[in-house]
Amino acid sequence: SAVISQKPSRDICQRGTSLTIQCQVDSQVTMMFWYRQQPGQSLTLIATANQGSEATYESGFVIDKFPISRPNLTFSTLTVSNMSPEDSSIYLCSVGRSTNEKLFFGSGTQLSVL
Amino acid sequence: SQKIEQNSEALNIQEGKTATLTCNYTNYSPAYLQWYRQDPGRGPVFLLLIRENEKEKRKERLKVTFDTTLKQSLFHITASQPADSATYLCALDYGGSSASKIIFGSGTRLSIRP
Repeated sequence: SAVISQKPSRDICQRGTSLTIQCQVDSQVTMMFWYRQQPGQSLTLIATANQGSEATYESGFVIDKFPISRPNLTFSTLTVSNMSPEDSSIYLCSVGRSTNEKLFFGSGTQLSVL
Repeated sequence: SQKIEQNSEALNIQEGKTATLTCNYTNYSPAYLQWYRQDPGRGPVFLLLIRENEKEKRKERLKVTFDTTLKQSLFHITASQPADSATYLCALDYGGSSASKIIFGSGTRLSIRP
C-alpha cells in the first residue's frame, strides 16, 4: 500500500490568486497523477507528474494554468493559477507502483474560489 | 475518444439483496478494468482489478465480471449491508504498455436501506 498526505485539505481563495497543493507519499512510487473532481462528478485526469521532467497534460489542461512539479519519487505539487470560480473543485493526488496496477489516492484538496 | 459509462447514476436496494452495477466502455480494448469505492469527502479506494483474460474475479462478497466482447463489466455485492452504501467507480487504463492513464466512469451511487 501507499500512504498519501495531501495538503491543504481545503482552502477558500480569491479570484485571480494561485494555490499550490502538495502531495507526499510514504514510499517511492513510479507513477503520480493529479485528478480533478467537480461537485457531483467523477474524476478527470489533469496530468501525469513525471519525475525530473515536464508533466504530461491531458486534453483541456495546460501547464500555464496547472503547473506541476515532481522533484523526486515521493513528492509532487500542483498549482492552480489565476483562479476563477470555475476552478472550485476537489483536487486529488494519486499514485501507482507500476503500470497495470491499482491506484492509491490522497483525501483530496477541496478548493473554493470566490 | 474513450468513453466509460456507468448506466445507473443511483441505485437503491434492500439490505441483504445483491447489488449489481454496470460499466460499459467504447472505442477501446483495455487490458484490465478496475473498480473503486468512494465515500463522501474521501479519495477513491481500490476494490478489484480484472484482466482481459479473466472472466470473473471474487473478493469476499464482491464479484466482478469482464466481457470483452460486450465491452462490459458487472460489479456485484452479495448480501448487501448499509455499510456498503457509497459511490462505486469503474476505471480503465488507456495509456498502453508504455504508460498508465487511468480514466474513470461517472460512478454509481449505491444506497442500501435497512
